[in-house]
Amino acid sequence: GAVVSQHPSWVICKSGTSVKIECRSLDFQATTMFWYRQFPKQSLMLMATSNEGSKATYEQGVEKDKFLINHASLTLSTLTVTSAHPEDSSFYICSARVPGGTGSLNEKLFFGSGTQLSVL
Amino acid sequence: AQKITQTQPGMFVQEKEAVTLDCTYDTSDQSYGLFWYKQPSSGEMIFLIYQGSYDEQNATEGRYSLNFQKARKSANLVISASQLGDSAMYFCAMREGSNTDKLIFGTGTRLQVFP
Repeated sequence: GAVVSQHPSWVICKSGTSVKIECRSLDFQATTMFWYRQFPKQSLMLMATSNEGSKATYEQGVEKDKFLINHASLTLSTLTVTSAHPEDSSFYICSARVPGGTGSLNEKLFFGSGTQLSVL
Repeated sequence: AQKITQTQPGMFVQEKEAVTLDCTYDTSDQSYGLFWYKQPSSGEMIFLIYQGSYDEQNATEGRYSLNFQKARKSANLVISASQLGDSAMYFCAMREGSNTDKLIFGTGTRLQVFP
């Protein structure tokens, strides 16, 4: 079953509005989560690393004021796309690692189901 | 330079046959990890298999095996006995170093399994 829950699955919004996407770890604590972005027919690109209780670490070229990340608890990270524009339309997906595993399980980075954002 | 290269934009395979999806990587780290994920049309990323740089044996997970050629820096995914449900995008990814969970993804290969 899913160990990382992402909500909503899809969202349509008007240009200029803000959209919040949630990423929850189920039954485990994730001190670190990752936010990726995927344009149609392209690969996943890491946007930022979400750190519980501290500021997120953004990849080069990602606007931190545009993509606000909050990791206020050990089971929840949120990504807010502020003042969204059509060029922000994309598939956003988060990931987290289940701690305490061994061998291959320890390396399993579970992904949420993703959020398709369409900005009109 | 590309860190992860998947040279096959698309592949076709007949049901029950085996197929190899290519992946080469570039890193100067001695410790790294290689992953394969499946992404069906629903968008979720499904973990398939993992290979650590120090693992001497090729990783296997059911019908999936990873052909790890360290000297050639390749980590090809082999799917045996293909099923129609295997049709999806497949991404190779790398974690550089041992103290991070950041993944670098390749551009993906779309696999189509036909009857």
